[in-house]
Amino acid sequence: EDKVVQSPLSLVVHEGDTVTLNCSYEVTNFRSLLWYKQEKKAPTFLFMLTSSGIEKKSGRLSSILDKKELFSILNITATQTGDSAVYLCAVGVYGGATNKLIFGTGTLLAVQP
Amino acid sequence: KAGVTQTPRYLIKTRGQQVTLSCSPISGHRSVSWYQQTPGQGLQFLFEYFSETQRNKGNFPGRFSGRQFSNSRSEMNVSTLELGDSALYLCASSPRTGGSGNTIYFGEGSWLTVV
Repeated sequence: EDKVVQSPLSLVVHEGDTVTLNCSYEVTNFRSLLWYKQEKKAPTFLFMLTSSGIEKKSGRLSSILDKKELFSILNITATQTGDSAVYLCAVGVYGGATNKLIFGTGTLLAVQP
Repeated sequence: KAGVTQTPRYLIKTRGQQVTLSCSPISGHRSVSWYQQTPGQGLQFLFEYFSETQRNKGNFPGRFSGRQFSNSRSEMNVSTLELGDSALYLCASSPRTGGSGNTIYFGEGSWLTVV
């Protein structure tokens, strides 16, 4: 059965800290890995990764994929209270013409002032 | 460019009733997927539509159904509502389906409470 596991489940940090969120997966026919940020509303798209070893960056956020070891990390540097949210990792798989995503349970990040 | 629009945003229904939720994808997007989000199960895939055809279906009972119109707008229907159907229902759109990976954008969801 396809599975996506995120760790830690939750963490509390102080503003200015750097955090690393982890996502490991066991799926058949990996297509892509996506990261989303969810703050009590729609999950907001952050990154899509399809190739190993290529870092994607957007401001203070960055992410990288390791297809050999089957995991991805999301880094947030110089955290701010506005980064507080649930971060979701999702994996897309081949299997016909489909955009089906398999989600992890998410990591709840709380950034304290 | 408008994002994914879902209506209604909040609704309360009684057990046994049925409900229809609507989704308008981002302009130009032809793939629409639906997900159910609950505290216990997280985000779970319901089904995907592309060019008015259901392309994939998740592990949900037949009470959950959907359709897509020629303008790519989609509706999902849940019949004979149960308490366990209380959830946030999220619609997601993408320009296409298949391929090596598609960026998928979510709407703000429809909060359904079944009493």
